[in-house]
Parts: sequence; structure tokens; C-alpha cells
Amino acid sequence: DTAVSQTPKYLVTQMGNDKSIKCEQNLGHDTMYWYKQDSKKFLKIMFSYNNKELIINETVPNRFSPKSPDKAHLNLHINSLELGDSAVYFCASSQADYTDTQYFGPGTRLTVL
Amino acid sequence: GQNIDQPTEMTATEGAIVQINCTYQTSGFNGLFWYQQHAGEAPTFLSYNVLDGLEEKGRFSSFLSRSKGYSYLLLKELQMKDSASYLCAVLDSNYQLIWGAGTKLIIKP
Repeated sequence: DTAVSQTPKYLVTQMGNDKSIKCEQNLGHDTMYWYKQDSKKFLKIMFSYNNKELIINETVPNRFSPKSPDKAHLNLHINSLELGDSAVYFCASSQADYTDTQYFGPGTRLTVL
Repeated sequence: GQNIDQPTEMTATEGAIVQINCTYQTSGFNGLFWYQQHAGEAPTFLSYNVLDGLEEKGRFSSFLSRSKGYSYLLLKELQMKDSASYLCAVLDSNYQLIWGAGTKLIIKP
């Protein structure tokens, strides 16, 4: 009974490619998030999204775009991958907003060659 | 700018007590979270403080002083499985969650 799941767990790809990471939560939560954790272990928010609003961290390049087909899914699309995109990407969800506990997925380790 | 400071690494002995500090400077404050993250795994929620004082939850306690911009996580009766990174995160006035870099806690027998 995985609460927040992500696929794939590992992703290795060439520079310039376009890739997607999928995220699903079965908790009935209203808000989902994408985080990037780099080699220095900083956890940076990229997007938060509920059925009303998409909030984008202004430092995120527009090559990154979230896509939400429904409340339970928030996929991350990345165009024209660069070496600096190599990191672990975590999806998370919470009941309503930031004041609620966030439940994290297992992470996707992206390696760009 | 907004800033969260935590020690990079701490070492403690099994069975002992350790205190992990977190200081913050943010634009507004709507609460502070502590998360635990084992190597190669996702963060898991430990505590949420929005009022001053100490909140105890089993072996783990979290303290907050809003006037000092300061929090600590206290871990008692340390076990080897407590070896992990501990992340402090503050919710600012815009409800943006600002994360610290985490404190790597090493437990020795």
C-alpha cells in the first residue's frame, strides 16, 4: 500500500533528451509537490500544485514542466536535459497545503550523461 | 534573503542524548518542521512546531523559540537506526517551505 509512488526509480539518459517522471498518490491529498535534491543534499522545492493553483519556484528553468492529469497524479516533464539536471527528484503530497505534513515518494535518481 | 542553518554533521553514542539545532531567518513564520532522511530514502515527517515550547513524541522532542528564530530536535536513548540526516524546514509568510541542508547524525556503538 504505497502512499506516494514514483516511476522510474532510476533514470539514465543522454544530454539533450526529453524525459518524464511519474508520480501518484493514493492518500486523497489535494496538493502535490516536486523537489530536487542535489549532491549537497539541499532539498529545493520546484513546484507545488493543487486543483486550484500551480506555484512555480522562479529559479526552475522552463525546461521543467509539471503535468497533472488528475488530483492523484503529478508528472514531471524535462526537456533538453543538461548535465546539471542530474539529481534525485522527490514527489510529495499533503492534505491541503504546506501547513500539513508532506509525504514523500521514494525518489527518482536522474543521471544525465 | 531567507536562510536556515544547521550543523553539517554530528556524532553521538548509542544510548546517549543528542540535540540538533536549527536557526532560521525567513520572511515571516508559519511553522517549523523536522524530517528524518535515511541515506537513499525519502524524508519522513517527525514534528511540526508553530507555538513556542517543547513538543515531546516518544524518544524525539522538538523545541521552538520564535523570538530567537531557533529550534532544536532532541533525540533520547539513541539507537543505531537513528543514524540519518535530519532536515529542518520553515514555512514562511507566503507558505513557501524553506529547507535547511540537513544534519547528518552518526551513531557509534
